[in-house]
Amino acid sequence: ETGVTQTPRHLVMGMTNKKSLKCEQHLGHNAMYWYKQSAKKPLELMFVYNFKEQTENNSVPSRFSPECPNSSHLFLHLHTLQPEDSALYLCASSQEGVETQYFGPGTRLLVL
Amino acid sequence: GENVEQHPSTLSVQEGDSAVIKCTYSDSASNYFPWYKQELGKGPQLIIDIRSNVGEKKDQRIAVTLNKTAKHFSLHITETQPEDSAVYFCAAAHTGNQFYFGTGTSLTVIP
Repeated sequence: ETGVTQTPRHLVMGMTNKKSLKCEQHLGHNAMYWYKQSAKKPLELMFVYNFKEQTENNSVPSRFSPECPNSSHLFLHLHTLQPEDSALYLCASSQEGVETQYFGPGTRLLVL
Repeated sequence: GENVEQHPSTLSVQEGDSAVIKCTYSDSASNYFPWYKQELGKGPQLIIDIRSNVGEKKDQRIAVTLNKTAKHFSLHITETQPEDSAVYFCAAAHTGNQFYFGTGTSLTVIP
């Protein structure tokens, strides 16, 4: 285990649903990330939080809404998603000043 | 921004043979190059990394080499075992900036 947990591990939702993904890191890190992993494509960085402040938003549609209440927890709120949003959503964490990122197991999302 | 290309996309080797995966990058400012292994149903796990002030790094059966002039780096796995079968990702980053990942190599080790 890497010290980064994600729930749920699998999620099926309709396009009108609202759901949230949760990530928790037990490594004492102060930076957290959301990535999207689609087949045959590189991992896509979505959001970055440093010390609970969002420092990166890579042109992600507003139907994805991140929340970072503290340096150990990160949420991704989902609403009115599209089928093309189906993917593996990965959370990662790192320590400021150290590049190494540690990933959670991901949430496999299917949008119907 | 940075552009990372990874080859091959799939690789099959016989158990005991070596496997080599290559990545190129475009931004000469990149100075950190991690390699991740992703097994089915799991997230990527860091297996080795190298910084731009080093040309080679080894950890048991795994080694990474970096050629800054040519802007390419490679993962070498020797004496492959079935449990090495997974998808491997390279990445390039500049300190404090985001990671740029390759598209992954699916490695199959045939017993």
